[in-house]
Amino acid sequence: GAVVSQHPSWVICKSGTSVKIECRSLDFQATTMFWYRQFPKQSLMLMATSNEGSKATYEQGVEKDKFLINHASLTLSTLTVTSAHPEDSSFYICSAAPDEQYFGPGTRLTVT
Amino acid sequence: ELKVEQNPLFLSMQEEKNYTIYCNYSTTSDRLYWYRQDPGKSLESLFVLLSNGAVKQEGRLMASLDTKARLSTLHITAAVHDLSATYFCAVDNQGGKLIFGQGTELSVKP
Repeated sequence: GAVVSQHPSWVICKSGTSVKIECRSLDFQATTMFWYRQFPKQSLMLMATSNEGSKATYEQGVEKDKFLINHASLTLSTLTVTSAHPEDSSFYICSAAPDEQYFGPGTRLTVT
Repeated sequence: ELKVEQNPLFLSMQEEKNYTIYCNYSTTSDRLYWYRQDPGKSLESLFVLLSNGAVKQEGRLMASLDTKARLSTLHITAAVHDLSATYFCAVDNQGGKLIFGQGTELSVKP
């Protein structure tokens, strides 16, 4: 099956700083990638759809100025959490779909 | 708005017994997925169901889809400890966006 990687796998940052998370499709090209967020003991919630070469589409209630998405190539999408606060601490997972959805291993963000 | 509901949300299973998880969704969709998630990990794909009446089996797990009833089931046969995890169903809400159920936390006890 297709492989999606994420980097870093975990990150701790101080409140007010920004953090960038990378999502790569390793063996296929992805014009579209998806970003999800998962709080402890909860389900995954779609944050945004990342489109190569164009602006991301955000789900209702997701602040586009806080969660910046850049899909600069067919194999890379990045999510930047700007001015992070403790409530942004979560597990962030990306996915891409050459045919079915393939999920990255996730990035655990802890904001202190 | 597409909604996906799973039940039960928690399931304490005894080894060697059979159980079923239900996944209901509110609007028509082309694809339904089942995933497994172990603590601290991402999602592992179990099944992709594409059409009415689709049935897929892998080991002790079998998934089926009834698009008319908007219902999918994940049946567990003769539960074993290795199956302890959280299981999610997810429905494709057009264009690849997935809407997830709440998840069902399975625990298998000897």
